[in-house]
Amino acid sequence: DVKVTQSSRYLVKRTGEKVFLECVQDMDHENMFWYRQDPGLGLRLIYFSYDVKMKEKGDIPEGYSVSREKKERFSLILESASTNQTSMYLCASSPRGTLLNNEQFFGPGTRLTVL
Amino acid sequence: GESVGLHLPTLSVQEGDNSIINCAYSNSASDYFIWYKQESGKGPQFIIDIRSNMDKRQGQRVTVLLNKTVKHLSLQIAATQPGDSAVYFCAENPNFGNEKLTFGTGTRLTIIP
Repeated sequence: DVKVTQSSRYLVKRTGEKVFLECVQDMDHENMFWYRQDPGLGLRLIYFSYDVKMKEKGDIPEGYSVSREKKERFSLILESASTNQTSMYLCASSPRGTLLNNEQFFGPGTRLTVL
Repeated sequence: GESVGLHLPTLSVQEGDNSIINCAYSNSASDYFIWYKQESGKGPQFIIDIRSNMDKRQGQRVTVLLNKTVKHLSLQIAATQPGDSAVYFCAENPNFGNEKLTFGTGTRLTIIP
């Protein structure tokens, strides 16, 4: 079974803190994704990575950065957390290849609260 | 159907009845579609997918229908059970040369015992 794990299920941080959200997948997938999920807005893509050290901005990258030093690990960084970054953060991975289905496998999510 | 906004569309269905969840997708060039199920406190889980060269695909108790003419996708769940209560998302691959998915806002399905 594909397994995507996220470092924390719940996280509470203060405004201005630097926050690291870690994601690890064990299926040797090339693609990894970070989304945030807010009520009524669905899943919005923050960043994605299609290879080690490669990254691309998604739809809402402002206030976030990412790091992919190893294939299995994709980190989301909030340089200076703000209250409007309170959200559910979901990590996903998928294999690369146009001939393959693009199903993304999701982790359980991290619910981040910024006070 | 799904729509952008602050309120999640909801659907309540009697246990044992069939349910139909609709989704309007945005890009006529999209070639791959997925339905995900998200239970409370969990990440989305894959239910069923369909490629644009198909109109219908069946799984266990689920059927996905694709109408490319009107850019509409539906998920049919037969003989609903309490465990089907969840938020259901459709997703499309806009085929922009990468493997990103664009997600709908979701529909909350509640099964009434």
